[in-house]
Amino acid sequence: QVQLVQSGAEVKKPGASVMVSCKASGYTFTNYYINWVRQAPGQGLEWMGIVNPSGGSTIYAQDFQGRVAMTRDTSTSTVFMELSRLRSEDTAIYFCARARLLFDSSGLGSTVFDFWGQGTMVTVSS
Amino acid sequence: DIQMTQSPLSLSASVGDRVTITCRASQTISRNLNWYRQKPGKAPELLIYAASSLQSGVPSRFSGSGSGTDFTLTISSLQPEDFATYYCQRSNNAPLTFGAGTKVAIK
Repeated sequence: QVQLVQSGAEVKKPGASVMVSCKASGYTFTNYYINWVRQAPGQGLEWMGIVNPSGGSTIYAQDFQGRVAMTRDTSTSTVFMELSRLRSEDTAIYFCARARLLFDSSGLGSTVFDFWGQGTMVTVSS
Repeated sequence: DIQMTQSPLSLSASVGDRVTITCRASQTISRNLNWYRQKPGKAPELLIYAASSLQSGVPSRFSGSGSGTDFTLTISSLQPEDFATYYCQRSNNAPLTFGAGTKVAIK
């Protein structure tokens, strides 16, 4: 069965960096893109970016450009998300999510997030 | 970037009620729109893709409609497990933006 297992909770000081991992199993790792989505306490979902586990290419949301890096290790089927220059507003649960393409009856393809990690709480506090 | 605006941001309803949530895109996105349900403390789960296609295993009380800029998610008869937060999401090109969410609470 498909599983995405994330690393444990982190507590960081402002200005530091954090790296969260997402280990995939139950499918061919390089066949599906992985997204990162975060959720601040009591807030909505914020898409951060996407990484192609096959070639390593990435697309980042504008709000995180220059501060985020998404990488992968194909030997361990793991994707990493590193966020630098942390501030208190980065306190959130960080999710990885597998993306796949679903087609409707008319042939329209949609990118959907079909499997999610359990989430990693990152707390930024002095 | 295209913005996704949901309304209402919260509502109260009873078991058995019909509930409708709206999502509006700031530019046309054809039918490239997903809906997710997020229960407290859990990751979101996909309900609807391509605006109106029901994800496998999702109960038929959920339905979606719309195209262009205006979309709706309808729950025909609210069940206890449906008290949750619902998000729309653009599904064709990055950024894969989510709406702000609609919290459905028990009346």
